Amino acid sequence: EAQVTQNPRYLITVTGKKLTVTCSQNMNHEYMSWYRQDPGLGLRQIYYSMNVEVTDKGDVPEGYKVSRKEKRNFPLILESPSPNQTSLYFCARGLRGDNTGELFFGEGSRLTVL
Amino acid sequence: AQKVTQAQTEISVVEKEDVTLDCVYETRDTTYYLFWYKQPPSGELVFLIRRNSFDEQNEISGRYSWNFQKSTSSFNFTITASQVVDSAVYFCALSTKTSYDKVIFGPGTSLSVIP
Repeated sequence: EAQVTQNPRYLITVTGKKLTVTCSQNMNHEYMSWYRQDPGLGLRQIYYSMNVEVTDKGDVPEGYKVSRKEKRNFPLILESPSPNQTSLYFCARGLRGDNTGELFFGEGSRLTVL
Repeated sequence: AQKVTQAQTEISVVEKEDVTLDCVYETRDTTYYLFWYKQPPSGELVFLIRRNSFDEQNEISGRYSWNFQKSTSSFNFTITASQVVDSAVYFCALSTKTSYDKVIFGPGTSLSVIP
């Protein structure tokens, strides 16, 4: 079964304590992306990756880092989380191989920064 | 720049009513892709449909139908005979051939279907 797995699904942390949200896909798709969802703003792209070792900024990259050392994994790193990073985070991979932007999402990770 | 507008923030309908969710997009690219995603109360995001800019045929899938009109830059979504299970937030999204790596989402429309 095709999956995008995010961990943790829920996390409460404190300002400044580094954390990593992992994302793993089992379909070997080249494209992966991270989004955050906030009320009234929809989903906004944080970072994306076209392939291994190829990453680029989305619309709201400040305060985040990513890495793509292997095709299946695309972790999101918050080096020094702040309360404004409290949000619902989604990892996604391309749904098909035709490069149209069609996405298959993970289940989401709800992060609260106190 | 690309933009997606969903002017309806929240909609409530009574079960079995028809409801249309509006989506207006902006892009200067001639080749682009439009999407609808559903987010039920459980929180996951589910892909519903993709429409390519060169294909203006409307699509029907069961109780769901989509009306793509280039002339008005709209890609509206109609649910016929709504059911409680249709209650969700619905997102319209846009990508282009030259920047398919950057999918732009609208703010979403929250649909409540009341039994």
